[in-house]
Amino acid sequence: DADVTQTPRNRITKTGKRIMLECSQTKGHDRMYWYRQDPGLGLRLIYYSFDVKDINKGEISDGYSVSRQAQAKFSLSLESAIPNQTALYFCATSDLGQGAPREQFFGPGTRLTVL
Amino acid sequence: DQQVKQNSPSLSVQEGRISILNCDYTNSMFDYFLWYKKYPAEGPTFLISISSIKDKNEDGRFTVFLNKSAKHLSLHIVPSQPGDSAVYFCAARSSGGSEKLVFGKGTKLTVNP
Repeated sequence: DADVTQTPRNRITKTGKRIMLECSQTKGHDRMYWYRQDPGLGLRLIYYSFDVKDINKGEISDGYSVSRQAQAKFSLSLESAIPNQTALYFCATSDLGQGAPREQFFGPGTRLTVL
Repeated sequence: DQQVKQNSPSLSVQEGRISILNCDYTNSMFDYFLWYKKYPAEGPTFLISISSIKDKNEDGRFTVFLNKSAKHLSLHIVPSQPGDSAVYFCAARSSGGSEKLVFGKGTKLTVNP
């Protein structure tokens, strides 16, 4: 079974709809992240959480919100989807540590299309 | 302003030859640099990293070189194999203990048999 799972894997929705993307992990990591990937733009950080009570904005948080329901679950919501939020969304996890950055483990991605 | 730049969107090499993927950065506060590899329909996976106090790190066929004065790093794959065909992302972390990474746009490597 995959260590980091994302649901749904694909979603097509309409402008103005509320959408939730879910991420679950079985790695026991404290840190979780949401990224989006656009063609030609690489990965950009939306939100990250270092534990259940810690939520932080990333590079491009406008239009998004998150919820860390448990150590293993981190959800990303689009309250009112717009077409320029069409992208590939990745969840990632990493454990605690000091010194060298901890490896981030990525889920398989959710392809979201907003019409 | 893009802090991590991968100026080559694609690279094509022959099997058995060397692949060299380049990355430039602008932020002097980056303390670690990482390379991630991504296959289609999968999430990125960690490949190799290097501390800003080192100039080389090697792991099997993969070597990362860091030229701090030029704010440039490169990933060498020797010998290249068809299974190395993927998109390679350069990433960097700012010093200060945060685990936030800044990613480049990626370079698509194609290794031809």
